[in-house]
Amino acid sequence: AQKITQTQPGMFVQEKEAVTLDCTYDTSDPSYGLFWYKQPSSGEMIFLIYQGSYDQQNATEGRYSLNFQKARKSANLVISASQLGDSAMYFCAMTGNQFYFGTGTSLTVIP
Amino acid sequence: NAGVTQTPKFQVLKTGQSMTLQCAQDMNHEYMSWYRQDPGMGLRLIHYSVGAGITDQGEVPNGYNVSRSTTEDFPLRLLSAAPSQTSVYFCASRPTRANTGELFFGEGSRLTVL
Repeated sequence: AQKITQTQPGMFVQEKEAVTLDCTYDTSDPSYGLFWYKQPSSGEMIFLIYQGSYDQQNATEGRYSLNFQKARKSANLVISASQLGDSAMYFCAMTGNQFYFGTGTSLTVIP
Repeated sequence: NAGVTQTPKFQVLKTGQSMTLQCAQDMNHEYMSWYRQDPGMGLRLIHYSVGAGITDQGEVPNGYNVSRSTTEDFPLRLLSAAPSQTSVYFCASRPTRANTGELFFGEGSRLTVL
């Protein structure tokens, strides 16, 4: 069975600082995708970044980067230069036969 | 560009009532799915479909039915609502059943069962 674990229910970061949100996964499939989504207080789900299991380099999208460590089965999200608008829930997700989500991390950016 | 459209956005039901949450996408996506979101539990997959005429159960299918008669539509039916089904429901689609490509989400439907 596939599983996604996010162990940080809540995180705080000072504005303009970097923050890492943890995600570990468990799968026996050799081919899978890893995703991060942002959910602001308004409720919509916003796609941030994607990493394929065969990708050699870590994915980056603007201020977002995915620290992919395949042997450790981790896919941490790094947000650089945090902004007040980054305050939201963040969900790690994985594809296999289905699309699985973790329980989320609530990030609060402090001015 | 509508994307994934869910209706209604809000609904209050009494225990035992039935209702259908509608989901439509205009992107010709093969894969469609329904999730429920509850505090502290993330998004849990209810049912999904990899194409018209094909549906399958996800992690929490009990109490819900789905059908996929067209590529565009994937309604979720609650036959006899229970308070435990109070939740926020999301419909999501992706282009193919392959392991690449993100899910595109609807705006969500907040359901309260009294």
